[in-house]
Amino acid sequence: GQNIDQPTEMTATEGAIVQINCTYQTSGFNGLFWYQQHAGEAPTFLSYNVLDGLEEKGRFSSFLSRSKGYSYLLLKELQMKDSASYLCAVRVNTNAGKSTFGDGTTLTVKP
Amino acid sequence: NAGVTQTPKFRVLKTGQSMTLLCAQDMNHEYMYWYRQDPGMGLRLIHYSVGEGTTAKGEVPDGYNVSRLKKQNFLLGLESAAPSQTSVYFCASPAATFYNEQFFGPGTRLTVL
Repeated sequence: GQNIDQPTEMTATEGAIVQINCTYQTSGFNGLFWYQQHAGEAPTFLSYNVLDGLEEKGRFSSFLSRSKGYSYLLLKELQMKDSASYLCAVRVNTNAGKSTFGDGTTLTVKP
Repeated sequence: NAGVTQTPKFRVLKTGQSMTLLCAQDMNHEYMYWYRQDPGMGLRLIHYSVGEGTTAKGEVPDGYNVSRLKKQNFLLGLESAAPSQTSVYFCASPAATFYNEQFFGPGTRLTVL
């Protein structure tokens, strides 16, 4: 099976930078996703990494090291609307395209 | 193109009652998934389907049954609801993008008294 760990809660200040870490142990790794979930809403896709390195998309970047079983999501120029839960999810190499989700990191952005 | 829809949005049941949650997608996708999400936790896979007429168990299948009689619909049934099944239920299907990330329905909030 898969074991995914991420911090439960983080707090940061508007305009700052925050890094949310995710570590995983899995066999048959086939990609890592980050999703954003605002309270009371469905998760929405943020980023995807399957090769080592950094993927940048506007204010959000995601990094992957497959050898270390490690990823992080970097949020720059934080805005109040970034207050949400961030879910790390690992896809394994099966024919069902399944992903296993971490418990999520609740980020609170303060003025 | 509505994507993934779920009905109902909210439901309150008494212990022992039964109900069916409906997920519908208009993207002609093969794969569909049912998750539950408890407070402060991530999504746990209940059952999934890789095509019409097929279903398979996920991480937490006990107490639930599913059917995929039509490609566009994936039904989740609770035969005898228990308080432990109080949760938010999300249906998902992979998006038609390069990454095939999961595209979620709006969720069903179920309370079992």
